[in-house]
Amino acid sequence: DAGITQSPRHKVTETGTPVTLRCHQTENHRYMYWYRQDPGHGLRLIHYSYGVKDTDKGEVSDGYSVSRSKTEDFLLTLESATSSQTSVYFCAISPSTGSGYTFGSGTRLTVV
Amino acid sequence: GENVEQHPSTLSVQEGDSAVIKCTYSDSASNYFPWYKQELGKGPQLIIDIRSNVGEKKDQRIAVTLNKTAKHFSLHITETQPEDSAVYFCAASIYGQNFVFGPGTRLSVLP
Repeated sequence: DAGITQSPRHKVTETGTPVTLRCHQTENHRYMYWYRQDPGHGLRLIHYSYGVKDTDKGEVSDGYSVSRSKTEDFLLTLESATSSQTSVYFCAISPSTGSGYTFGSGTRLTVV
Repeated sequence: GENVEQHPSTLSVQEGDSAVIKCTYSDSASNYFPWYKQELGKGPQLIIDIRSNVGEKKDQRIAVTLNKTAKHFSLHITETQPEDSAVYFCAASIYGQNFVFGPGTRLSVLP
């Protein structure tokens, strides 16, 4: 999707290892979000950021941490990956509250 | 917190027919309702949205209606085409903060 890229696109990792997913935007949007998508659950918010170094938890934040040291980058870290964290992870951006989100193409993470 | 339900979970229609997807929300303070379309292997894409001060909004073959009293909103797609086949998500939020998404509807348009 234009202006927002996620890396890697696919990753397989072992249980107990740390994993970091990256979201990079070129839109200079203030708000950035990490969601996970699982069958039957739709999209659930993990963490979000409303500015550099300003982050907050979403509804499924346990086992995840985030960092935003620059406007353009929002990192999601799985501190010790578990099989329950196997999912598709989406990053989203928006310029302000009250605006629709622009989503990235997703990262498919498999924890074995 | 907000809870969004979405029905049906799957929907099959013949090409040229209409499709309707319904969502209900629980928090009467919600005032922004976007709809997203997700094609296979891609991220969700915003297709239409509506705010609580409007009862209906149209964009070509797509329309969304909102009933604040009943706390439900619906997506209407007319003259469906095979490229409309995708998963559709509704969402609700208060002043655009932290959307809560429905579980999704898989729409199949049969040629």
